[in-house]
Amino acid sequence: AQSVTQLGSHVSVSEGALVLLRCNYSSSVPPYLFWYVQYPNQGLQLLLKYTTGATLVKGINGFEAEFKKSETSFHLTKPSAHMSDAAEYFCAVKSSAGANNLFFGTGTRLTVIP
Amino acid sequence: DGGITQSPKYLFRKEGQNVTLSCEQNLNHDAMYWYRQDPGQGLRLIYYSQIVNDFQKGDIAEGYSVSREKKESFPLTVTSAQKNPTAFYLCASRAGGAGTDTQYFGPGTRLTVL
Repeated sequence: AQSVTQLGSHVSVSEGALVLLRCNYSSSVPPYLFWYVQYPNQGLQLLLKYTTGATLVKGINGFEAEFKKSETSFHLTKPSAHMSDAAEYFCAVKSSAGANNLFFGTGTRLTVIP
Repeated sequence: DGGITQSPKYLFRKEGQNVTLSCEQNLNHDAMYWYRQDPGQGLRLIYYSQIVNDFQKGDIAEGYSVSREKKESFPLTVTSAQKNPTAFYLCASRAGGAGTDTQYFGPGTRLTVL
């Protein structure tokens, strides 16, 4: 079975500061991992994904995430926060075998303080 | 413009009424999904369809029904049996075949029961 835990339902950072959003997963088989962003009253947009290969994945808007198997983590980072980064972020996991369904975390709302 | 459309954006329902949410995609994707989003709970899978004329229940299918008569369309009916239908509903699609892991989301429909 697959599951995702996002630590911290709300994170606040100052503009220009490092953004770190935490995601830990549970999977009995090698996972595929995703980060999505959601702006108010909108759908989800893919930021980045890890399937196989390089464990440091770069995405859109300057975000990146590193797959760490030993820590079962896939934390999302951005060196310098912009006001436009304020949104809700979801981590999701999919098994690399079998069904293609995604299992989502409960989300982290990012606030950027000017 | 390729993408996923959901209509209406806002929907109000009286108790005891069935309502149907529309989801259309012109991405030629094989698989389509319906999720329900509640504050603090992330996304939960209602139904999904891997191919036309076939669909499976997700984690919270009770009180909902779907059809998949055309590849482009996957409407969701919220029936009167759904006791707490007020939520944000998101439709997603995914291309079929190996290596097609990413789900793409529509803009969502916000359903409110009066």
